[in-house]
Amino acid sequence: GNSVTQMEGPVTLSEEAFLTINCTYTATGYPSLFWYVQYPGEGLQLLLKATKADDKGSNKGFEATYRKETTSFHLEKGSVQVSDSAVYFCALSDPGFGNEKLTFGTGTRLTIIP
Amino acid sequence: GAVVSQHPSRVICKSGTSVKIECRSLDFQATTMFWYRQFPKQSLMLMATSNEGSKATYEQGVEKDKFLINHASLTLSTLTVTSAHPEDSSFYICSARGVGLAGGNNYEQYFGPGTRLTVT
Repeated sequence: GNSVTQMEGPVTLSEEAFLTINCTYTATGYPSLFWYVQYPGEGLQLLLKATKADDKGSNKGFEATYRKETTSFHLEKGSVQVSDSAVYFCALSDPGFGNEKLTFGTGTRLTIIP
Repeated sequence: GAVVSQHPSRVICKSGTSVKIECRSLDFQATTMFWYRQFPKQSLMLMATSNEGSKATYEQGVEKDKFLINHASLTLSTLTVTSAHPEDSSFYICSARGVGLAGGNNYEQYFGPGTRLTVT
């Protein structure tokens, strides 16, 4: 079946540091890939997505590239801010219709210190 | 737009009682709602998918008689944990997908803030 493995946290960085959160996946078909973010006390929000190989998703300074050859979708940001502190989830959708039936990674808690 | 709420945010109940959790789409019509369960330091596990006006589809290993899901309207789905036991303690999260969303994005799932259930 489908699965998502992401970097275990927690991750603590200083403001303006470079961020990488690793995510690899296993899927039988050609999934769409997502990064969701959960800020304290709030629901999950879609941060970015990519629907096919070599696509790059980007939002709010975050980027991730769909790498089919390495089955990876690592999240990166060049200079993190305190407001980026949150839990980040990598996810994939079953091949086919929309993004129904998401499979999530375990989440990585990120804390940015001033 | 695309706000999903859950109520209650936290609930503590005694073993053997039933608890109902509500999931509402506040500014769009949710044709499909999803219920997830999250254990500490683990990923979200899909429990069931419900379409408005029809029976929910449960994932393998989820007891449908224990976790009753009702999606009676386009803005409300409920999850009832029946005869709750301590092992049912968890964080329950709903998401909704629907129509009437800005930009015509009808396939993205919008998540609620979750409900923390503790069974004593």
